[in-house]
Amino acid sequence: QKEVEQNSGPLSVPEGAIASLNCTYSDRGSQSFFWYRQYSGKSPELIMFIYSNGDKEDGRFTAQLNKASQYVSLLIRDSQPSDSATYLCGRPPRTRDDKVIFGPGTSLSVIP
Amino acid sequence: GAGVSQSPRYKVTKRGQDVALRCDPISGHVSLYWYRQALGQGPEFLTYFNYEAQQDKSGLPNDRFSAERPEGSISTLTIQRTEQRDSAMYRCASSPRLDSYEQYFGPGTRLTVT
Repeated sequence: QKEVEQNSGPLSVPEGAIASLNCTYSDRGSQSFFWYRQYSGKSPELIMFIYSNGDKEDGRFTAQLNKASQYVSLLIRDSQPSDSATYLCGRPPRTRDDKVIFGPGTSLSVIP
Repeated sequence: GAGVSQSPRYKVTKRGQDVALRCDPISGHVSLYWYRQALGQGPEFLTYFNYEAQQDKSGLPNDRFSAERPEGSISTLTIQRTEQRDSAMYRCASSPRLDSYEQYFGPGTRLTVT
């Protein structure tokens, strides 16, 4: 079992809808998580970071963390075609001698 | 300001040759990360540095892979005796904070081993 799992998609949503991207993790010791966005042929860029249970909002993006159920999600409200990309969930190093873990990513397509 | 740069952007090499991939982080960034990314997959962690110290290298696939960051700035990822399975996009990222989620990625080096 991989430490961070995501549905590869593609997830298709109509423009203006809410896109919901989900991520599950296996290690209960993980305390914080991030979401990166990667456009096709480009490098990943950070969208959100979350370390507390509950919701964290930033503009049209909301990250949700549920440590009891071991899942992290990203909601994109009022989806735009420019949101079409691969979304990567993961976690930073937990200690000084630890890995960074990225999930495989979910491909999102927002249909005009 | 300048972002993370990597060179070369593309490298084609014959099996068995050694290659060195370079990463220039954002000035002042203390941490530097190396990843390998296959098409359609997320970045696979290889190793990282805080300043010049290599913190974790458990992601390096085998002993043909090594990395250094001798002065805490530029880093080199070296692959010895390349094999076709080493073909991938190699990405570097730097961070202004230690062990952080906040990473700035370079454009990557596309390595092809023939």
